[in-house]
Amino acid sequence: EPEVTQTPSHQVTQMGQEVILRCVPISNHLYFYWYRQILGQKVEFLVSFYNNEISEKSEIFDDQFSVERPDGSNFTLKIRSTKLEDSAMYFCASHTTSAGDTQYFGPGTRLTVL
Amino acid sequence: AQTVTQSQPEMSVQEAETVTLSCTYDTSESNYYLFWYKQPPSRQMILVIRQEAYKQQNATENRFSVNFQKAAKSFSLKISDSQLGDTAMYFCAFMGSQGAQKLVFGQGTRLTINP
Repeated sequence: EPEVTQTPSHQVTQMGQEVILRCVPISNHLYFYWYRQILGQKVEFLVSFYNNEISEKSEIFDDQFSVERPDGSNFTLKIRSTKLEDSAMYFCASHTTSAGDTQYFGPGTRLTVL
Repeated sequence: AQTVTQSQPEMSVQEAETVTLSCTYDTSESNYYLFWYKQPPSRQMILVIRQEAYKQQNATENRFSVNFQKAAKSFSLKISDSQLGDTAMYFCAFMGSQGAQKLVFGQGTRLTINP
């Protein structure tokens, strides 16, 4: 069964450093998302991406964040200058064009900012 | 803006018992979708069940079923014959039918199944 993959599974970085989190969505999916989950809290929407552009972003998704689909398979989230409060689990998700279609989540990347 | 509320932070039942997790939501949309996701200790988000708001029939997936009350904006999850592997965080989530179709999650309920 197709699945969403994410790399790395765990990333440790120093405050102020740039990180890139990578995702490979399911191949026939056209909508892509990033969500964040701070330890012990609920999952929060960051950004949605469709047709090579951001379709919606949350207040969390400020200028230090960016997303890109550099080729036909990868979908990346870049954090330019990490802060301690960026430490969280980051989930990528994707779904097809159908309205209300189930979003399938990747296994997540645990980001630790020291 | 839509909100999702799960009023039970933690629940605990014995194996083989039936348990119901509560979820309420707030929206002004008439057509939308509701989901329950399971998050085991691995922290992977796994779909449990999906409900379309325009369908009156409650969704069922094996031991999992929902009680969808549209007028009350309530969407509870019932787990029958609970198993040790059901131990996880359970998140209720809302998706509107317009725009980017992002998921809005509740705070989660930590469910423990005891042997």
